[in-house]
Amino acid sequence: KQEVTQIPAALSVPEGENLVLNCSFTDSAIYNLQWFRQDPGKGLTSLLLIQSSQREQTSGRLNASLDKSSGRSTLYIAASQPGDSATYLCAVDGGSQGNLIFGKGTKLSVKP
Amino acid sequence: KAGVTQTPRYLIKTRGQQVTLSCSPISGHRSVSWYQQTPGQGLQFLFEYFSETQRNKGNFPGRFSGRQFSNSRSEMNVSTLELGDSALYLCASSPGGTGELFFGEGSRLTVL
Repeated sequence: KQEVTQIPAALSVPEGENLVLNCSFTDSAIYNLQWFRQDPGKGLTSLLLIQSSQREQTSGRLNASLDKSSGRSTLYIAASQPGDSATYLCAVDGGSQGNLIFGKGTKLSVKP
Repeated sequence: KAGVTQTPRYLIKTRGQQVTLSCSPISGHRSVSWYQQTPGQGLQFLFEYFSETQRNKGNFPGRFSGRQFSNSRSEMNVSTLELGDSALYLCASSPGGTGELFFGEGSRLTVL
C-alpha cells in the first residue's frame, strides 16, 4: 500500500530564504508525482507535475525533483516571499484512475 | 479558460439528512475525481468518473455515491449524514493522458 510522508509538518522562514520541502513515498512504481499548494479554506492549486520518466520540473522560483529509486521528491523554493505562505502537498499517482495518494502536507510560513 | 467549479461552496446539514454536491470540470476534461479532506485523515479519494462511468472507487461506505453526466459535469451524494462527514469535499478534473489533476475550491460541509 502506497504511503506518502512529508517532513517537516510545519516550517517558518524569513523572507528571501531558499528552502526545500521533502516528500517520500514507499512504492516506487508511480506514474507521476504532483506538487500542490493550498491556501486556508481553499482548494488545491497545481504547482508542478513530474512524470515518472523525468528527474525534475521547473516553474519560476519553483523546482521539483524526483528520485523514484529512493522514493523521494523535493520542492525547492527560491527567494521565498510572504505570499508563498501556504500548505504544500505532494501526491503520487500509481496509475489507478484519478486516485492520487497525498501526503499530509508541509505548512510554510514566510515572515516579512 | 474557466477552472473547476464546485457548488455550493458552503452548506450546513443535520445528522440523517442527505446532501448533493456539484462539480463542473474544465472544458474538454472528461475525467472527474472526488476527494474528502479532513484535519485528521487528510485528503482521501472517493471516486473517479470518465465518460459517465465510475472507473475507480475509494474505501468509503455506500452512503457516498456519485454520477457523471454526458456533459462531464458530476455530482456526489451523501445520504444519512453523520457528524464525521463534516469535511471539505474537493472535485478535480483531468484531461487524461498526463494525469495532471486540477482542483476546484471545494464544498465545505458541516453536519450538526
